[in-house]
This record gives sequence, C-alpha cells and structure tokens, in this order.
Amino acid sequence: GESVGLHLPTLSVQEGDNSIINCAYSNSASDYFIWYKQESGKGPQFIIDIRSNMDKRQGQRVTVLLNKTVKHLSLQIAATQPGDSAVYFCAEKSYNQGGKLIFGQGTELSVKP
Amino acid sequence: GAGVSQSPSNKVTEKGKDVELRCDPISGHTALYWYRQSLGQGLEFLIYFQGNSAPDKSGLPSDRFSAERTGGSVSTLTIQRTQQEDSAVYLCASTLQLTDGYTFGSGTRLTVV
Repeated sequence: GESVGLHLPTLSVQEGDNSIINCAYSNSASDYFIWYKQESGKGPQFIIDIRSNMDKRQGQRVTVLLNKTVKHLSLQIAATQPGDSAVYFCAEKSYNQGGKLIFGQGTELSVKP
Repeated sequence: GAGVSQSPSNKVTEKGKDVELRCDPISGHTALYWYRQSLGQGLEFLIYFQGNSAPDKSGLPSDRFSAERTGGSVSTLTIQRTQQEDSAVYLCASTLQLTDGYTFGSGTRLTVV
C-alpha cells in the first residue's frame, strides 16, 4: 500500500546549526506535500507545504525540497533554535483521494544549547 | 471560531464504557477529519467528512467506532465498549479547501483503564 516514511527517527543538532529532516514517499501520484511540527501535548502545527508542480519552496527559516524522481521530500531549518525542538511529520495526499493526508512516523528533533 | 476546538482535553474511562469526543472545526471549513495518534507514533486516519457527501469511513478500526457531523459543523467521535488498545490521542482537523493542508486541534487524550 501507499506509505510515507521518514529515514531517521531522531535528530540532534547544535543550536545555530542547520537541520535537515528527510522523508520518502511511495505514491508517485501524490499532488501535495506538507510538513507539520508537533510539540509535546499539542496538535500538529503547519510549517510549510509544496505542490507537486514545484521542487522548492521557502518560508521563514524553513525550506522544503521535493524530488519527484526519487520520491523524496526534505525539510531544512536554518539556524536551528531550542524552540524548534519537536517531532516533525511529513504528509502527502492525492487530490483524487478526497484530500486525505497520509502521515509518516515522525522525526524527533532535539536542539542542544 | 479562531481554531479547531476539541473536548474534553483528557478523558479517563473504564474498559467497556462508551465515550464521546467532540470537535468544533474552524467556522466555514467544509472538510473535517479525525485521526488517532498512539504514543510515539504517527497519525492514523480514521474518518473524514466533506460537505454533504457521504463520509469516508475507511480508517475506522472496528465497528465500535463511529462518528457524525451535525449541521456541517460540530463532529462527535463515539467509541463503544472501549478497550485498552483504544488509548491514544484523538486529533480533529479541518480545512476549507481539499487541496490545502489542515488545521489541527490540540486533541483529546483518551486513557482506558
């Protein structure tokens, strides 16, 4: 079946360094991809999204890269801060499947001061 | 409202009892989703509602689970005869456009003892 998965379950970085979180997906027909951040005890919070007709999108301190050839998605966080410590989920959907997001397992990002 | 509101935030119930979880989506959002998140895991799709269309119930794990959405707004997820494996955080989300991401609530943490 279709799945979205993350390469690494945990990532530890030094404050100020850049972080890269990776995600692989299996559905080549996916139209839309999104990254969420989830802090302990809270619901997932939108970070950035990208549609399949793009390969890069930038936000404030975050960049999402999409490589459709190898079905790979990454989230780059510049100048990582302690407040970035959380679990990060990638998710994808196909518009012809009713807008249902399929989530990966998550990567826990830990930022060391 | 300004965000997705879920109640209660925490629920402890005895095995075998029924529980109802409530979700108030963002006003005007036509699509509403329920997900389940077990400890340290990703988000598992349960059910989604879109306007007046028949709900997509493909993720409900058993017939003990049901959900309804009244008047195109508030939704209730009901779990009958709860089991210990039902213990999880139940997350609700809504969106205006099926081509966009969701806004999540903070979830209901259900503990079955």
